[in-house]
Order: sequence, then C-alpha cells, then structure tokens
Amino acid sequence: QKEVEQDPGPLSVPEGAIVSLNCTYSNSAFQYFMWYRQYSRKGPELLMYTYSSGNKEDGRFTAQVDKSSKYISLFIRDSQPSDSATYLCAMSGREYGNKLVFGAGTILRVKS
Amino acid sequence: SAVISQKPSRDICQRGTSLTIQCQVDSQVTMMFWYRQQPGQSLTLIATANQGSEATYESGFVIDKFPISRPNLTFSTLTVSNMSPEDSSIYLCSVDPGGATDTQYFGPGTRLTVL
Repeated sequence: QKEVEQDPGPLSVPEGAIVSLNCTYSNSAFQYFMWYRQYSRKGPELLMYTYSSGNKEDGRFTAQVDKSSKYISLFIRDSQPSDSATYLCAMSGREYGNKLVFGAGTILRVKS
Repeated sequence: SAVISQKPSRDICQRGTSLTIQCQVDSQVTMMFWYRQQPGQSLTLIATANQGSEATYESGFVIDKFPISRPNLTFSTLTVSNMSPEDSSIYLCSVDPGGATDTQYFGPGTRLTVL
C-alpha cells in the first residue's frame, strides 16, 4: 500500500464547476500538507499548505485536512480553463525529516 | 518563496555519456533536493543535498550513477552518468527555504532524452 493515494484521473469538468481533488494517506505522523500545481512541461508550483487539521482558503482555492480520517482535499471554485494542470498532494512529518511524500497527481481538464 | 533556475532546460544525449544539470537559487538555502519525474508519473526523490556534507541518497539511487555537488548555499549540480534510455526523464531540483513548514519550491526541470 502506498503511503499517499491519489486518483490520477483525468478529471474533466466544465468551466465554472467546483472541483474536488483528494488524497488519502496511511501514516498518522504526517503533519504538513501541501498542494502543488504542475502545468505541462513545467516544475510543480506550490499552491497551498496547511498544518494539521482544518481549512485554509486562498481566493478560489480551499485546502481541507481531516487527520482523523487521514484525508485531504483541495477545492477549486469557479474553475477556469487555466486551472487545467496536474495537481499533486504532498505531505511531511517529523519522522520524514524535511522530505516530502507525493501522491501520484490528478490530471484536471477544465473545458470552456 | 525562492526563484530557482535550471540548466539545461532540455537535452538529447547518447547512450553511455553523462550530463550535468545545474540548479541555481536566488537566495541562500540549506536544503536542496533532486527529483526524477518519469513520463506520466509523480516525483521520486533521488537525493538530499546539504551544503558542507555529502548528499544523502534514497533507496535505489547511488552516488556513482548520480553524483551531486553542493559547493555553496545557492548552487548544486546533479550528474546523470553512463546514461541509458531508462534515464530519460524530467529532473527537478527543489529547495526548502527553512522555517516552520517543510514546503519546497521547485525549479522548472530539465527534460532529458537518452537515445
């Protein structure tokens, strides 16, 4: 079983839809949770990070962490064609040092 | 955050040769990382490169194949040695600027094709 599970998609939605991207994990030692966006032929770009359980909002993006269920989500409101990219969840914790454990990435396509 | 550049952005190499990839950061950082991303796959950590110490390699990666230098706090190189077509991949460097979180910032990547 992988430490971090993420559905690779692709997920295809119409413009303006609310998108929900999710990851589950197995190790309760994870404390820091991140979402990266990667456009084709580019490096990953940090979108959101959260510490422990709770929600964090930044514009159209909301990151949610439920440590009791070992489940994290990224919501994108009013999705735009420019949101089409691969979204990678990543997490870390004290026992991992400064290393990140990545999910497989979900391909998102927003159709105009 | 940090601004990271990599050179070259892409290269096509012959089997058996070596390629050195450079990573430059616009600020001093202690921790730098090298990743490989094979087509359609997620990121796999190759090694952690801290200034003033030997790089720490992940399982499946060895120094003879992927020697790393870290001469100062803003620069690192990764060499892919004795290349084979299986080394065709995107190679990414990242930095952890420090602080309370473990967030990393990534360079644009080097797309390597080995013929």
